[in-house]
Amino acid sequence: DAKTTQPNSMESNEEEPVHLPCNHSTISGTDYIHWYRQLPSQGPEYVIHGLTSNVNNRMASLAIAEDRKSSTLILHRATLRDAAVYYCILRSLNYGGSQGNLIFGKGTKLSVKP
Amino acid sequence: EAQVTQNPRYLITVTGKKLTVTCSQNMNHEYMSWYRQDPGLGLRQIYYSMNVEVTDKGDVPEGYKVSRKEKRNFPLILESPSPNQTSLYFCASSSPSTGTAYGYTFGSGTRLTVV
Repeated sequence: DAKTTQPNSMESNEEEPVHLPCNHSTISGTDYIHWYRQLPSQGPEYVIHGLTSNVNNRMASLAIAEDRKSSTLILHRATLRDAAVYYCILRSLNYGGSQGNLIFGKGTKLSVKP
Repeated sequence: EAQVTQNPRYLITVTGKKLTVTCSQNMNHEYMSWYRQDPGLGLRQIYYSMNVEVTDKGDVPEGYKVSRKEKRNFPLILESPSPNQTSLYFCASSSPSTGTAYGYTFGSGTRLTVV
């Protein structure tokens, strides 16, 4: 399985942008890059996903390197409610068998200071 | 509201007493999965189902059973629970399409304690 590497933890100040990096040097051409977050005492929550182009939604932006070996999740203005563990995960476009599974790593624990 | 519903939220049981944790989704998703989360070990997949009557083992299937008789339901069965199955359990569902539905939707979790 293609794996991802993320920093264990990051800190941010409230109302400032946050850039959460993820390395996935062994990504294959059929892997989507997914980001999830898990707030304390809650289930993981889908944030965003992309394949090659940068993506924006109401929660965040996803910037994907041209060679697709790294990506960055961007929270434009961090709030205290954004304090969570953020997971970068590769999910295969080939849906058959276990390839469509989400395999979670340790993620990045984001702390937001007021 | 699109959601994955797990029941119960909290459960304390005794070793060996069979139990079922239910999971239901209202999004017509084909794909469903069960995870357990333990401190220091993160989220690990127990079983998954590609569609009705199609299930397969994840990374930690020992001691668990699942069934997928209907598209919306994916119960997790512990036939003889043991203390090492004390954990936080999450059910999730997804669609094979590559649109927004391709993201997983998770339930709120079931905290199981086996004494």
